[in-house]
Amino acid sequence: NAGVTQTPKFQVLKTGQSMTLQCAQDMNHEYMSWYRQDPGMGLRLIHYSVGAGITDQGEVPNGYNVSRSTTEDFPLRLLSAAPSQTSVYFCASSRTGQYGYTFGSGTRLTVV
Amino acid sequence: RKEVEQDPGPFNVPEGATVAFNCTYSNSASQSFFWYRQDCRKEPKLLMSVYSSGNEDGRFTAQLNRASQYISLLIRDSKLSDSATYLCVVNDAGNNRKLIWGLGTSLAVNP
Repeated sequence: NAGVTQTPKFQVLKTGQSMTLQCAQDMNHEYMSWYRQDPGMGLRLIHYSVGAGITDQGEVPNGYNVSRSTTEDFPLRLLSAAPSQTSVYFCASSRTGQYGYTFGSGTRLTVV
Repeated sequence: RKEVEQDPGPFNVPEGATVAFNCTYSNSASQSFFWYRQDCRKEPKLLMSVYSSGNEDGRFTAQLNRASQYISLLIRDSKLSDSATYLCVVNDAGNNRKLIWGLGTSLAVNP
């Protein structure tokens, strides 16, 4: 099993550019989430989904969009990149939220 | 008060030592509790869930004290490979679909 696969692993963007971070899981998990992790801030929830077609905002959703057209995929779209979005992004999935999450290996994003 | 608080450390211990981490949470209605470990520049990995009766997995023991709203993690016979950041995680009582993450406690096990 691949688990949770995130691509790309590294990305440099210019301010104003848009891009999509990809996330796929092969465990048939219903719950999927996107987090960002910044020094001193811990993990902060951006968006989450509890099943195909269902998404909701986390604590830091501004500047990001998500969609969940299939159980497997949960892409995160940066609409117009800003330096404040420089961070490490993690995608995670869970059978249900009460069973703990499996994380992807992360995307290190730098916006210049 | 932060929703989930941990002593940031760092804890520096010799191999073979026993070390304990505590974590406090603010919402008494929280129902799910976890410990994750995160190695430097890696993703968090689930170490163990924490159950009301306490639970053990090899050298690791987790305890939950609902009355005092704290969770503990005990590591016995520390190994060099235990060096990592340990994250305390609690479900959001207002929305069970969300988790609230502590900032982590850093552990360095020295030879």
